[in-house]
Amino acid sequence: DGGITQSPKYLFRKEGQNVTLSCEQNLNHDAMYWYRQDPGQGLRLIYYSQIVNDFQKGDIAEGYSVSREKKESFPLTVTSAQKNPTAFYLCASSGDRNNEQFFGPGTRLTVL
Amino acid sequence: AQKVTQAQTEISVVEKEDVTLDCVYETRDTTYYLFWYKQPPSGELVFLIRRNSFDEQNEISGRYSWNFQKSTSSFNFTITASQVVDSAVYFCALSEAGYGQNFVFGPGTRLSVLP
Repeated sequence: DGGITQSPKYLFRKEGQNVTLSCEQNLNHDAMYWYRQDPGQGLRLIYYSQIVNDFQKGDIAEGYSVSREKKESFPLTVTSAQKNPTAFYLCASSGDRNNEQFFGPGTRLTVL
Repeated sequence: AQKVTQAQTEISVVEKEDVTLDCVYETRDTTYYLFWYKQPPSGELVFLIRRNSFDEQNEISGRYSWNFQKSTSSFNFTITASQVVDSAVYFCALSEAGYGQNFVFGPGTRLSVLP
């Protein structure tokens, strides 16, 4: 089945540790996105990539880093510099920047 | 800059009632795209519809219908004969043609359908 996978669904980390969230898609989409969602809030864009080996900061990129070495993969690292990392993280992809984005199931990160 | 407003933070209805979710957008582009997504309690966003700025025809899909009016910059979503399974957060989104980051979501409307 074509789609977007994110793993794990729940992730716990100690404060001060970096953590990497995975996002894989087999939809052959060029564009991929990372969003953060806090309880009762909308989606905020962290990073996006429109093509392999290229990515751009979104509205809240501080404390996060990404890579796009393969078309299928767009991992997000939450660094210790991110002051409040506990949130729900959603990855998405689209065939074109104006097409609908398809979302993965999300990863709920809790930093203890 | 583009902006999407969903003024209704939360709506509660009783099953079988009709409900309309409002979406108002701002953009300076003449070419843009509007979307609706559903986020059930599981968390994954489900794509519902995409509409481009040159197509003002209303659309109906089963119990769902969408009313796009450029004159009022609105793209409202109506659920007819609501069901408990419609309970979710619904997001409206706007994408502008052009370059750079262009996809913006509204804050969402939480719909609760009570049995």
